[in-house]
Amino acid sequence: GIQVEQSPPDLILQEGANSTLRCNFSDSVNNLQWFHQNPWGQLINLFYIPSGTKQNGRLSATTVATERYSLLYISSSQTTDSGVYFCAVEPGRGGSFKTIFGAGTRLFVKA
Amino acid sequence: NAGVTQTPKFRVLKTGQSMTLLCAQDMNHEYMYWYRQDPGMGLRLIHYSVGEGTTAKGEVPDGYNVSRLKKQNFLLGLESAAPSQTSVYFCASSYSVDTGAEAFFGQGTRLTVV
Repeated sequence: GIQVEQSPPDLILQEGANSTLRCNFSDSVNNLQWFHQNPWGQLINLFYIPSGTKQNGRLSATTVATERYSLLYISSSQTTDSGVYFCAVEPGRGGSFKTIFGAGTRLFVKA
Repeated sequence: NAGVTQTPKFRVLKTGQSMTLLCAQDMNHEYMYWYRQDPGMGLRLIHYSVGEGTTAKGEVPDGYNVSRLKKQNFLLGLESAAPSQTSVYFCASSYSVDTGAEAFFGQGTRLTVV
């Protein structure tokens, strides 16, 4: 099955710093989403981005489907950005409707 | 618009007991999913459904059963709970004309089996 790899696995930032999180996937995908899991465990939709670039405030994401990767940019990080960021893909072959998650990037933003 | 709602939010079971987790969505989504999340890990797919009356196995289906009798509900059953099933369970739904394949998640159910 498809492999979804996220990097880095852990990241510590000083408040105000910028960062880039990466998601690589091993096969073609129909869909790709980025989620933030906050310290209370809630999963929050950030972007639905099977291709192209989207921006939402301090966050933006780019997916290059032909090269099988997606990037999540966090600018001017805040302590409330702490948590785990997941990339999730829907494989593009065989009519699969499963959404497969990467292991996540754990982010801690220091005040 | 409540989105995806899971019931209950917390539960403690004794080994061998049974229980059912309920997931309800009000977005008219065709697809529904059950995942489990273990400490320090991503979500793993247990079972999923592509429509009312249909279910299919995901990555880790053993020890679980599901039913989708109504489009808006997806039930996850544990017939004989084991400590290895201690986890946080998430339900999700996706696919409608309005939202496409974007997945929306419930708030999670924290299950402990002792």
